[in-house]
Amino acid sequence: ETGVTQSPTHLIKTRGQQVTLRCSSQSGHNTVSWYQQALGQGPQFIFQYYREEENGRGNFPPRFSGLQFPNYSSELNVNALELDDSALYLCASSPPGGSREKLFFGSGTQLSVL
Amino acid sequence: GENVEQHPSTLSVQEGDSAVIKCTYSDSASNYFPWYKQELGKRPQLIIDIRSNVGEKKDQRIAVTLNKTAKHFSLHITETQPEDSAVYFCAAYTGTASKLTFGTGTRLQVTL
Repeated sequence: ETGVTQSPTHLIKTRGQQVTLRCSSQSGHNTVSWYQQALGQGPQFIFQYYREEENGRGNFPPRFSGLQFPNYSSELNVNALELDDSALYLCASSPPGGSREKLFFGSGTQLSVL
Repeated sequence: GENVEQHPSTLSVQEGDSAVIKCTYSDSASNYFPWYKQELGKRPQLIIDIRSNVGEKKDQRIAVTLNKTAKHFSLHITETQPEDSAVYFCAAYTGTASKLTFGTGTRLQVTL
C-alpha cells in the first residue's frame, strides 16, 4: 500500500510568482485535504476535496485554489505569492466510508518565497 | 469557528517518566480528536484518536482521555523513551466545516 506522496519536496519562488504543488493520495483514499504549516505552528486547514469538488475551505484568500482529479490526486495552486506564504504545505488523504476525518499526511512541500 | 489550545508548549521528562499534554476546544460540535506526532523534518503521524462518544482509549504506552462537558482532552505517555522525543499536536474535527483544527504543538524532550 502506497502512502501519500507529494512533489516537489522543496521549492524556492520569488514574490508575485505562481506555484503548483502536487499530491497523490494513499491507495483507496478518495478525499484530499491541504494544510499550511508555518514554522513552529500547527497545520492550518486550506481546503478539502471530495469527488473532485471543494468540500470545505479554511480562512485563505482566493489566490489559493485547488483541483482534484478522477484518480483522487490533487493540486494546490497559489497565485501572486507573498513572503508570508513561505511554509510547509501538507497534503492529507482520508479513506472512504465515513472516516473522512482520519487524515494521513504526506511529507509535505517546503515552499520558500524570497 | 473552532479554537484549540494546547499546553505546555515544551515538556522535558526523564526516560521512564510519564508525560501529559492537555488540550481544550471551543466548538461543542467537534466530535473527533486525534493526536499527531511530528519528528523534525517528517510528516505528522497519527498516533491515537478518540471519538466524542468515548471517554478514554489506550494503545500500549499511549492513552487519551476526553471530557466533553469541560471540552478538554489529554494525551498520556507512560514509560517514556528517547524515541518519543518529537512535537505532538492535538486536533479537533468539525464535520460541518470538514476540517481539523490543530493546537500549537508540544515539544517533548525525553532525556536519558
